[in-house]
Amino acid sequence: SAVISQKPSRDICQRGTSLTIQCQVDSQVTMMFWYRQQPGQSLTLIATANQGSEATYESGFVIDKFPISRPNLTFSTLTVSNMSPEDSSIYLCSVRERVNYGYTFGSGTRLTVV
Amino acid sequence: GEDVEQSLFLSVREGDSSVINCTYTDSSSTYLYWYKQEPGAGLQLLTYIFSNMDMKQDQRLTVLLNKKDKHLSLRIADTQTGDSAIYFCAERSSGGSYIPTFGRGTSLIVHP
Repeated sequence: SAVISQKPSRDICQRGTSLTIQCQVDSQVTMMFWYRQQPGQSLTLIATANQGSEATYESGFVIDKFPISRPNLTFSTLTVSNMSPEDSSIYLCSVRERVNYGYTFGSGTRLTVV
Repeated sequence: GEDVEQSLFLSVREGDSSVINCTYTDSSSTYLYWYKQEPGAGLQLLTYIFSNMDMKQDQRLTVLLNKKDKHLSLRIADTQTGDSAIYFCAERSSGGSYIPTFGRGTSLIVHP
């Protein structure tokens, strides 16, 4: 299966600032996703990162707050902009595997906004 | 929309079997997954089952699918302390957006 390197693993940020999270995949993948995981909650899909075009955002998430880049088939970034304490969460990137129809996840970024 | 439900906690004694249950609502679910998340880590795919199967076994893991009742279970035999983690059930239909729906996760606590 694909191996995903996600950085940073954790960060503590001041409110009003922005943080960019990176995901690097060791193989070319068609579909990449960004999730948010709040304590005790299910994974919430933020957006699908599309190569060469704008990301597809889920209801409740907007590009101005969560801009996403996907310059090629192995790399994507998610920026959390103008952060507030409510943005404190774990952010995960994920890719769809071709072989076993499953989804592989990065190790996550634990974000705390103070 | 689709919904996936799991109980939030399960506590078992080391060496016993653990059974984690999941129900889903989407009758067109084709792929059903179990993921494991250890503290501070991402989700690791444990196993998956297609909707045309009713059982899949992989070493200590047994997945049972009752498609009529839309019920999925994960049995871990001889549960070890290293099995302590959060287990997520997920489902996806064969058409549409390729986006899986996840449950809230079951926190498995294994005590000596």
